[in-house]
Amino acid sequence: GQNIDQPTEMTATEGAIVQINCTYQTSGFNGLFWYQQHAGEAPTFLSYNVLDGLEEKGRFSSFLSRSKGYSYLLLKELQMKDSASYLCAAMDSNYQLIWGAGTKLIIKP
Amino acid sequence: GAVVSQHPSWVICKSGTSVKIECRSLDFQATTMFWYRQFPKQSLMLMATSNEGSKATYEQGVEKDKFLINHASLTLSTLTVTSAHPEDSSFYICSARRPEAGGHEQYFGPGTRLTVT
Repeated sequence: GQNIDQPTEMTATEGAIVQINCTYQTSGFNGLFWYQQHAGEAPTFLSYNVLDGLEEKGRFSSFLSRSKGYSYLLLKELQMKDSASYLCAAMDSNYQLIWGAGTKLIIKP
Repeated sequence: GAVVSQHPSWVICKSGTSVKIECRSLDFQATTMFWYRQFPKQSLMLMATSNEGSKATYEQGVEKDKFLINHASLTLSTLTVTSAHPEDSSFYICSARRPEAGGHEQYFGPGTRLTVT
C-alpha cells in the first residue's frame, strides 16, 4: 500500500532550527512536496524535490533521499508566523499526490 | 503567478438543500483540477480528480451522485453537494495543476467552509 509518515506535532523555540521528517512508500515516485497550512486556510506550496539532495530556499530547505524513501523540511531562524501544519505529499507513478497527515509545528517565544 | 479562486469562501445551508462551490484558475488553463475535503485537525482527503471535458474520477468511498463535479471549461470546475447533511460540514478545497509550467505542483484555492444545519 501507499503510505506517508510524519510526526503529529513538534515544538520549537523562536529563532531556532527545526527539522520535520517524512518517510514515504508509494507505487512509483514522481517527487516529494512540502506544503504549509495555517489553521483555517488552504495549503501553500513550499518545495518540490525529485532528485536526491538538498534544495535551499531562503529560511526553508528540503532534502530527499529516494533510496531511503525519506525527506525532511528544515526551517531556520524560526518566526512565530511559522506556526502551522506542514504537509508532506509524495507523487506516485500516476502523478497522484499521497498526503501525510501533517505535522503541527508550535513555535514558542 | 498561478492563482486559484473559490467561491463562496463560506456557506451555511439547511439540511436537504444543495450547495455549489466554484473553483477557478484565474491566470492559467487547468486541464486537471482536484477536490479535497478536510475535517478539523485532519489532513487533506482527495475526493475526486476533475478533467476538463470528461467525467470526474472519484476516490473510493466518495459518492459520485452526492458530490457532483463538472469541469466544463479549462478554467472552471464546480462541486455540488446534493442533499447536504450535517456530516457533510467540512472545509472543501480545490486545486489545479498547471501543466504548461512543466511541473506537477498543485495550486490550491482558498477553500470553502461548508456548515450544514
